[in-house]
Amino acid sequence: QSVLTQPPSASGTPGQRVTISCSGSSSNIGSNTVNWYQQLPGTAPKLLIYSNNQRPSGVPDRFSGSKSGTSASLAISGLQSEDEADYYCAAWDDSLNGHWVFGGGTKLTVL
Amino acid sequence: EVQLVESGGGLVQPGGSLRLSCAASGFTFSSYWMHWVRQAPGKGLVWVSRINSDGSSTSYADSVKGRFTISRDNAKNTLYLQMNSLRAEDTAVYYCARDWEYYDILTGYSNWFDPWGQGTLVTVSS
Repeated sequence: QSVLTQPPSASGTPGQRVTISCSGSSSNIGSNTVNWYQQLPGTAPKLLIYSNNQRPSGVPDRFSGSKSGTSASLAISGLQSEDEADYYCAAWDDSLNGHWVFGGGTKLTVL
Repeated sequence: EVQLVESGGGLVQPGGSLRLSCAASGFTFSSYWMHWVRQAPGKGLVWVSRINSDGSSTSYADSVKGRFTISRDNAKNTLYLQMNSLRAEDTAVYYCARDWEYYDILTGYSNWFDPWGQGTLVTVSS
């Protein structure tokens, strides 16, 4: 059971906008920034969003992140077939001497 | 090009040991904290351990504390994970990742993992 809660699946058609939620607590999302990682099938995770809403160079502006209180969201607009992947949120957790926590991952299907 | 390449995975019996390596290139390895993250087959990502830039400070997930040891050799640009008393539940792909840190006056300190290596598979089975 992951500390951060994500829906196990999400789907959309090409061109649609989809959002993926990530729910945590005061010791993680509530007091630290959130990162999002994209894992394409059979590959290593890749940084998608850092510090709640910042995009690394090379990540299309179709991807955006936000945070409010103890929850965060990843939005993907103009959905494309190559966006089909697993998406994970992550945050530092201040409890128990501090440790990193991840969400359980959301499998995005492009219909 | 910044690159991380893991090696050392394989099949090991329960109770056995294995040492993973992560070779870094394309950046000043000695300036960065580093992490190990694992992913059991068909499951999500789980943070395992981290080490600071000079190797003087480490931390571990409770599930591996006392069994795993993270270390680094900055002269060889290599990160290690010594895994002892391995259990079936340690079966996973193990990734190394570089830590980034940034301070913003509004959000305070932010850290994230980038890049990640390609991973090495550890299978614990009799």
